[in-house]
Amino acid sequence: NAGVTQTPKFRVLKTGQSMTLLCAQDMNHEYMYWYRQDPGMGLRLIHYSVGEGTTAKGEVPDGYNVSRLKKQNFLLGLESAAPSQTSVYFCASSLRLAGGYNEQFFGPGTRLTVL
Amino acid sequence: DQQVKQNSPSLSVQEGRISILNCDYTNSMFDYFLWYKKYPAEGPTFLISISSIKDKNEDGRFTVFLNKSAKHLSLHIVPSQPGDSAVYFCAASLAGGTSYGKLTFGQGTILTVHP
Repeated sequence: NAGVTQTPKFRVLKTGQSMTLLCAQDMNHEYMYWYRQDPGMGLRLIHYSVGEGTTAKGEVPDGYNVSRLKKQNFLLGLESAAPSQTSVYFCASSLRLAGGYNEQFFGPGTRLTVL
Repeated sequence: DQQVKQNSPSLSVQEGRISILNCDYTNSMFDYFLWYKKYPAEGPTFLISISSIKDKNEDGRFTVFLNKSAKHLSLHIVPSQPGDSAVYFCAASLAGGTSYGKLTFGQGTILTVHP
């Protein structure tokens, strides 16, 4: 099993450009999440999905869109990149368990720089 | 408002000694807590967790303690090894299925274990 994979690993964008980050998981997990990690801020939830065809906003959703057309894939889009979106982006997935207690499995991250 | 806080940005420990990493939270509705470990250029990996009905959970060299009245948890690593050098994040989750496993992370503590 590959677990959670992310594409690309690195990307440099100019302000105003758009891009899509791809996350794929092969563990048949229901839940998927996108986080960003910034120095001194920990990981902050951008958007999440509780199943195929569903998405919801997290803590810092502005400037991002997501789609979950297939259960195994979760896409994060930046329509018009801004320097404030320079960050490391992590995708995670987890099982749906009673009571909401679950461990999230993380991908290796995508380092994005917006100039 | 940071609901989960790790007030020590870094910790340095000698090999073989105990490492104690601390985490405080403000939301009394949190009832499941996790510790993640992160190496550079990798995604976080799950280390250990504790439910609010317990005050201690042990897994090998790692023990997590929870003090609900103080809204404080700590991770003890005994004995510490150079391979434990990493960033450690604590995270918290709300109870119930509608929380969808969403995690709120602390800022992280960089642990360095010297040989």
